[in-house]
Amino acid sequence: AQSVTQLDSHVSVSEGTPVLLRCNYSSSYSPSLFWYVQHPNKGLQLLLKYTSAATLVKGINGFEAEFKKSETSFHLTKPSAHMSDAAEYFCVVNTGTASKLTFGTGTRLQVTL
Amino acid sequence: NAGVTQTPKFQVLKTGQSMTLQCAQDMNHNSMYWYRQDPGMGLRLIYYSASEGTTDKGEVPNGYNVSRLNKREFSLRLESAAPSQTSVYFCASSEAADTREQYFGPGTRLTVT
Repeated sequence: AQSVTQLDSHVSVSEGTPVLLRCNYSSSYSPSLFWYVQHPNKGLQLLLKYTSAATLVKGINGFEAEFKKSETSFHLTKPSAHMSDAAEYFCVVNTGTASKLTFGTGTRLQVTL
Repeated sequence: NAGVTQTPKFQVLKTGQSMTLQCAQDMNHNSMYWYRQDPGMGLRLIYYSASEGTTDKGEVPNGYNVSRLNKREFSLRLESAAPSQTSVYFCASSEAADTREQYFGPGTRLTVT
């Protein structure tokens, strides 16, 4: 069985400050992990993915995530938030076929001036 | 290259009415998926098609039917809409059923009154 827990439903940061969105996963097998972003009234866009290569993964728009097997975590970070980062972020795990994609419940990121 | 497209963008139905949501992809992907997104629940898989000519149930298939019309197109039908089917519906595709990365359409916002 696989599951994903996003530890914060809502995160608020000031523009220019670091972003940390937390994700823990549970998986019986070696997982693939993803972060997707959803801007208001838009579809989901892939930010980055981990598929058992380097544990530090760089994505688009300055985001990165680190896979930590010992902590079963895949937290998303960005050094400096921009207003355009305000969106909902989903952590996703997959340990088998694509039909077994499991989504977290999402973290809404608010960026204030 | 439009990626994954969905029609309509918005729809309002009365209880008991039927409708079909359309999805098409131009990436020559073999696998296609239908999800629903409800507040606080992430995305849940309704049906998927691993390849042309095959369809399988996902996590929440009750009340829905699907048709894989050809490699490009995958439709979702609500035969008798219920208020519980009020949701945002996303179509996605991937290169193959064992390819873990999926690409999403912009979504259809459906309200059943």
